[in-house]
Amino acid sequence: DAKTTQPNSMESNEEEPVHLPCNHSTISGTDYIHWYRQLPSQGPEYVIHGLTSNVNNRMASLAIAEDRKSSTLILHRATLRDAAVYYCILHGSSNTGKLIFGQGTTLQVKP
Amino acid sequence: GAVVSQHPSWVICKSGTSVKIECRSLDFQATTMFWYRQFPKQSLMLMATSNEGSKATYEQGVEKDKFLINHASLTLSTLTVTSAHPEDSSFYICSASPRTGSYFYTEAFFGQGTRLTVV
Repeated sequence: DAKTTQPNSMESNEEEPVHLPCNHSTISGTDYIHWYRQLPSQGPEYVIHGLTSNVNNRMASLAIAEDRKSSTLILHRATLRDAAVYYCILHGSSNTGKLIFGQGTTLQVKP
Repeated sequence: GAVVSQHPSWVICKSGTSVKIECRSLDFQATTMFWYRQFPKQSLMLMATSNEGSKATYEQGVEKDKFLINHASLTLSTLTVTSAHPEDSSFYICSASPRTGSYFYTEAFFGQGTRLTVV
């Protein structure tokens, strides 16, 4: 699986939008871009995924660059409960559920 | 969404003893499950792939005789840490993905994790 690069940490104010970037310059044509987040002392939870087009769900939006070498997870209105480590992971089309985690971005949300 | 449950949530054991951690898929069948380990302030590290009815596949550097994995049914995988030592103290997490027809589900579901402390 190709590697991803994320900033170690980011800060946001409550109620403001947050844009979490991810670089994946070696992404292959069949790699899906997945985002998971991990709240303190819990297992990770799925946030969103996409292949080429931008995606929206109830939790977040995923904006994918046209060349697919980068993507951005967008939390439209950050809440204190969104403070977590966010992982951007590339997953091949074989899709067995096996995920290789990078260091992720620790998001702090200030009241 | 699908639910994956781990038990126990935390365990304290004495050095030299063995500890078993269970991972159950509650509302779907999982022919494959994954075990991860996470040390404080670090990311998740994949330890092994648990395969129903066959041997687990271990990642490089993970001792298969120390971390015994059994996947005897389509809803249960167990990880046994044998002869535990303080350096095995960690957060252990399992995951699984429901399978739809020939394809696996697009997202992985994780257990809540098991905090192991070896004293």
